[in-house]
Amino acid sequence: DVKVTQSSRYLVKRTGEKVFLECVQDMDHENMFWYRQDPGLGLRLIYFSYDVKMKEKGDIPEGYSVSREKKERFSLILESASTNQTSMYLCASSFGREGTYEQYFGPGTRLTVT
Amino acid sequence: AQSVSQHNHHVILSEAASLELGCNYSYGGTVNLFWYVQYPGQHLQLLLKYFSGDPLVKGIKGFEAEFIKSKFSFNLRKPSVQWSDTAEYFCAVEVSGFQKLVFGTGTRLLVSP
Repeated sequence: DVKVTQSSRYLVKRTGEKVFLECVQDMDHENMFWYRQDPGLGLRLIYFSYDVKMKEKGDIPEGYSVSREKKERFSLILESASTNQTSMYLCASSFGREGTYEQYFGPGTRLTVT
Repeated sequence: AQSVSQHNHHVILSEAASLELGCNYSYGGTVNLFWYVQYPGQHLQLLLKYFSGDPLVKGIKGFEAEFIKSKFSFNLRKPSVQWSDTAEYFCAVEVSGFQKLVFGTGTRLLVSP
């Protein structure tokens, strides 16, 4: 069974703090993704990575950065948290081979920025 | 840019009613199509997927979806819903070869017993 784990289920941070969200997958997947999920907006892609040390911007990268130093780990960084970054953050991973793009999701981190 | 439309934001059904959730996408090339489900308090999980072949695909828990290329649609169906189908359903599209998904805004389904 594929397992994607996220470091926290709930997180409360203050405006201006630097926030790290960690994601780990145990299936040797090449691709990893960070989304935010907001009511009425669905899932929006923030960043993704095809390989170690590689990253690509998604649809809403502003205010975020990522790091992928190891294949199994993908970190999302909020350099200076703001209240409009209060959201549910979902990590996902998938194989990189053609025809196998099913993404496996973690449980999510509900971040509140006050 | 590709986009995915789910026109029903909230659906309320009684048990045993039939379900059809609409999904339309805007891309003229080859696509891979997915339906994901998120049960209350649980991970997002794959319900079914279409890559090629028979346009009628069957998924878990009695769900099926039909890909109609001419209509750019991939509607989800279930002949008889159960209370346990209460969840949020997301349609997603992957433009072939790009490996990233574009999700619709989701449909919240409430099935009353």
